Amino acid sequence: DIQMTQSPSTLSASVGDRVTITCRASQSISKWLAWYQQKPGKAPKLLIYKASSLENGVPSRCSGSGSGTEFTLTISNLQPDDFATYHCQQYNSNPWTFGLGTKLEI
Amino acid sequence: EVHLLGSGGGLVQPGGSLRLSCAASGFTFSSYAMSWVRQAPGKGLEWVSSIDDSGDITSYGDSVKGRFTISRDNSKNTLYLQMNSLRAEDTAVYYCAKKRGAPHYFDYWGQGTLVTVSS
Repeated sequence: DIQMTQSPSTLSASVGDRVTITCRASQSISKWLAWYQQKPGKAPKLLIYKASSLENGVPSRCSGSGSGTEFTLTISNLQPDDFATYHCQQYNSNPWTFGLGTKLEI
Repeated sequence: EVHLLGSGGGLVQPGGSLRLSCAASGFTFSSYAMSWVRQAPGKGLEWVSSIDDSGDITSYGDSVKGRFTISRDNSKNTLYLQMNSLRAEDTAVYYCAKKRGAPHYFDYWGQGTLVTVSS
């Protein structure tokens, strides 16, 4: 199975900041990586697919990059609505696996 | 607008069974593969099972293989997960998720239904 390692596990930031979350795969997954945002008690929401493609309706302040084994999610000009947990997921090969999540807090 | 409404969760004893349902609306259900993903309390997301658009091809995570069965009824726009021989470690919120793209990722998720396995 492909292991997905996210860092950091917790990230403290302020409104207006720019933050970067990293996700590393245990083997190459090409560009087959998605990022999701999850708020407490809610279902995950798709932000980014194919490593850098922004889902419709997601603010352009969010961006993704990377290929192979190393990927990043960057959110600029943080807004109060951005404080949540972010998960990466590889869909290069079955079983589809997720990182443990990064909690973005104030 | 896509809606996925999960139901069927609850408290069950170890070794028991439960069937989850996910009612879909707002898209052509029969054209999309679907999945179940779970999240244990305070933990990360774990893919459980997937089924193709016709229901002919299924796959399972190792932790549930042989105990869980995924199915769908395209005439009722509903996805199912039959869970047998439940264990304490199956305790989680179970989300149904719609798949998109090739290869597939999850573009819409249901609100989740809680399964608690405890005596």
